[in-house]
Amino acid sequence: GAVVSQHPSRVICKSGTSVKIECRSLDFQATTMFWYRQFPKKSLMLMATSNEGSKATYEQGVEKDKFLINHASLTLSTLTVTSAHPEDSSFYICSAPWTGGNTDTQYFGPGTRLTVL
Amino acid sequence: EDQVTQSPEALRLQEGESSSLNCSYTVSGLRGLFWYRQDPGKGPEFLFTLYSAGEEKEKERLKATLTKKESFLHITAPKPEDSATYLCAVQKVPAGTALIFGKGTTLSVSS
Repeated sequence: GAVVSQHPSRVICKSGTSVKIECRSLDFQATTMFWYRQFPKKSLMLMATSNEGSKATYEQGVEKDKFLINHASLTLSTLTVTSAHPEDSSFYICSAPWTGGNTDTQYFGPGTRLTVL
Repeated sequence: EDQVTQSPEALRLQEGESSSLNCSYTVSGLRGLFWYRQDPGKGPEFLFTLYSAGEEKEKERLKATLTKKESFLHITAPKPEDSATYLCAVQKVPAGTALIFGKGTTLSVSS
């Protein structure tokens, strides 16, 4: 299947600093990518939709000034958590839709574990 | 309100003991239903996409089925390596929109 990568896989930062997470589609182009957040033993919750060439769209309750999204190219989207606080600690996962053959799906990255001290 | 509910929350099986996981959904404008496997600390791994009631798909010991209200993931003769959290998600029309996930079923298979 298609591959989506994320970097870094783990990051620990101090409260008040900013953290950038990269999401790349390695073998296909993605005009849209999605950013999800997952708390322990909880489901994936959509945070925002990243659109190449236009502004991201955010889900209700997600602070757009805190979670900055930039879709720099057809294979790269970045999520920057600004002025991170301990409550931002979570597992962040990106996905990209893929259509091939007679099916379509969304491929997910391996996730980034953010810990804010 | 769109909703995806998975049951049971957790399931313990002996190796070789077949069972089924359930995913019931309420969504307006369903385009597809997806099944993923997620191992601890990793991103979801794609298993199946189902589009219409009556559709079935198989992969090794897994078989997914779809009705108008629910989907089942049947696991035949499971092995310890099948232990994981299985996530169900729905996608609304149009194609390429974000997925709405259930909370998952955590499967443990012991030898």
